[in-house]
Amino acid sequence: GQQVMQIPQYQHVQEGEDFTTYCNSSTTLSNIQWYKQRPGGHPVFLIQLVKSGEVKKQKRLTFQFGEAKKNSSLHITATQTTDVGTYFCATKYIGNQFYFGTGTSLTVIP
Amino acid sequence: DSGVTQTPKHLITATGQRVTLRCSPRSGDLSVYWYQQSLDQGLQFLIQYYNGEERAKGNILERFSAQQFPDLHSELNLSSLELGDSALYFCASSAGTGHTEAFFGQGTRLTVV
Repeated sequence: GQQVMQIPQYQHVQEGEDFTTYCNSSTTLSNIQWYKQRPGGHPVFLIQLVKSGEVKKQKRLTFQFGEAKKNSSLHITATQTTDVGTYFCATKYIGNQFYFGTGTSLTVIP
Repeated sequence: DSGVTQTPKHLITATGQRVTLRCSPRSGDLSVYWYQQSLDQGLQFLIQYYNGEERAKGNILERFSAQQFPDLHSELNLSSLELGDSALYFCASSAGTGHTEAFFGQGTRLTVV
């Protein structure tokens, strides 16, 4: 079935270090969305990428969509304790079904 | 505050029972999505309604059903509950059908004992 894999599953970084999570699909994606879920919270929409090779930035966050539209990445520069949470990619497949990736849980050590 | 309201926040019920979860979308949003989040399954898409009509169906069990009312609020009905149904149930809403900038509610934590 359709599946969106994310790696790594967990990441511990020292505050100030960079962090990257990757999202991979076996099929071409029409778009990719990224969400952040703080511990005990609900998913919060971050961004949507649509075009092949697209790169978008939000302050210290950089989002990329692969040229083949089968993978995406989220990179955080100089992590802060406020970046703690689980980052999910999500996409819509044929049949209008929405799939969330397995998520990457980020821990930032002060 | 996302503007999406879910009630109740917590629910504890026994196996075999039936419960109804309620969601009020953000003002102006026509789409409502239901998700189940459990530790071992992650975020699983259940179903989407758009302006009162079922739009997409995911991994929703036959024991579960949903509907969206004319005022656009939605209800998720879970029946013949099993221990494995214990999870966080999220509702999200968006203006259109494409899940763009979907806003999630705080969730309902269901515990089946």
